[in-house]
Amino acid sequence: GAVVSQHPSWVICKSGTSVKIECRSLDFQATTMFWYRQFPKQSLMLMATSNEGSKATYEQGVEKDKFLINHASLTLSTLTVTSAHPEDSSFYICSAESGRTYNEQFFGPGTRLTVL
Amino acid sequence: GIQVEQSPPDLILQEGANSTLRCNFSDSVNNLQWFHQNPWGQLINLFYIPSGTKQNGRLSATTVATERYSLLYISSSQTTDSGVYFCAPRDNYGQNFVFGPGTRLSVLP
Repeated sequence: GAVVSQHPSWVICKSGTSVKIECRSLDFQATTMFWYRQFPKQSLMLMATSNEGSKATYEQGVEKDKFLINHASLTLSTLTVTSAHPEDSSFYICSAESGRTYNEQFFGPGTRLTVL
Repeated sequence: GIQVEQSPPDLILQEGANSTLRCNFSDSVNNLQWFHQNPWGQLINLFYIPSGTKQNGRLSATTVATERYSLLYISSSQTTDSGVYFCAPRDNYGQNFVFGPGTRLSVLP
């Protein structure tokens, strides 16, 4: 149990295009989902926290108009990188938290974004 | 917010050796998890351990919340244990986990 999927696993796009990444909790309802960004050989940096049906809470320094987060249901959250530029290239990871499992986080496999 | 330190930053072991990884945090916590990030980037849950001791096979973890640290023990290490180990505590005031910088482990055959 407690499986989280992400799609796509990797994407290459041209500068100026928008990219949508999906995060799904497959076998549990996620009260809260988190989006992280990870640069090579660095730790995970929290970008935003989303609760189903409400606006996401963004960390300081993260542009909400650049990184659009929609938590449409208890099993799906999406991150859209709008007008992507090469500096947005990174590894994006989502996690989902279930209140049933003592608020333990479960992570998706990540999405590697390369902007040319 | 809570500050997290992990040591050592890098560790190289011969297969079969034991190791202890440490996580120090600056504030009281109500939640702490240990993760292993494999070479493909997947984060694997190792322990949910806000306090006390847990064991799972060759791995065990101890959190002493009053002294603000947690330890991860790896015994009889295997090459598949290679990767980065992160601890992520959550303080009593916040909703979010804060990831430490990680310990990069390489187990040589």
